[in-house]
Amino acid sequence: DTAVSQTPKYLVTQMGNDKSIKCEQNLGHDTMYWYKQDSKKFLKIMFSYNNKELIINETVPNRFSPKSPDKAHLNLHINSLELGDSAVYFCASSQDEEDRYGYTFGSGTRLTVV
Amino acid sequence: GENVEQHPSTLSVQEGDSAVIKCTYSDSASNYFPWYKQELGKRPQLIIDIRSNVGEKKDQRIAVTLNKTAKHFSLHITETQPEDSAVYFCAASEGLTGGGNKLTFGTGTQLKVEL
Repeated sequence: DTAVSQTPKYLVTQMGNDKSIKCEQNLGHDTMYWYKQDSKKFLKIMFSYNNKELIINETVPNRFSPKSPDKAHLNLHINSLELGDSAVYFCASSQDEEDRYGYTFGSGTRLTVV
Repeated sequence: GENVEQHPSTLSVQEGDSAVIKCTYSDSASNYFPWYKQELGKRPQLIIDIRSNVGEKKDQRIAVTLNKTAKHFSLHITETQPEDSAVYFCAASEGLTGGGNKLTFGTGTQLKVEL
């Protein structure tokens, strides 16, 4: 049973298109996140949601819109894709208790904009 | 906001040697410090973590130390093996008012264990 699953794993699309990435966790965690990993492997937070409420929106262009229909799902929709959006996008989740803060990451979605 | 610096960016060791990766953080409110291992094409995986009320933690061949006064923490891997080759990330975190915690990651260390 995959704990945090993302789809699709690979996404190749043209500039200007709109695309979505889906994420689901079956760990019962309270908080979910989107991180972007660029070509230099740097991991940067984009959004976090706690029980469907937006907690962090980290100066991400408004072409990126997260949606959390319930505690177990956090999707990412990207409008008008640009070349610079090419990266690996990781979904993650965590529990709120202080001794269980560690993130569990999904397997990532490699987005290539051509 | 939090800033985490990580050194070295690349580290090459002989099998059986020890490897040490160091990180510093800027925000004294950070209270949780995890380390992640990322193999090529895979997801980051939590390998060890430490909270600010603890100075040292060990799990088999890996250990983490934290100096809260100096705001630095380190990962120590002993008896390195080829399967330890990966990118290692440190991170610092504080809890968020709305729930969860925000991890700020270091820039990563590419560890290569040579036979």
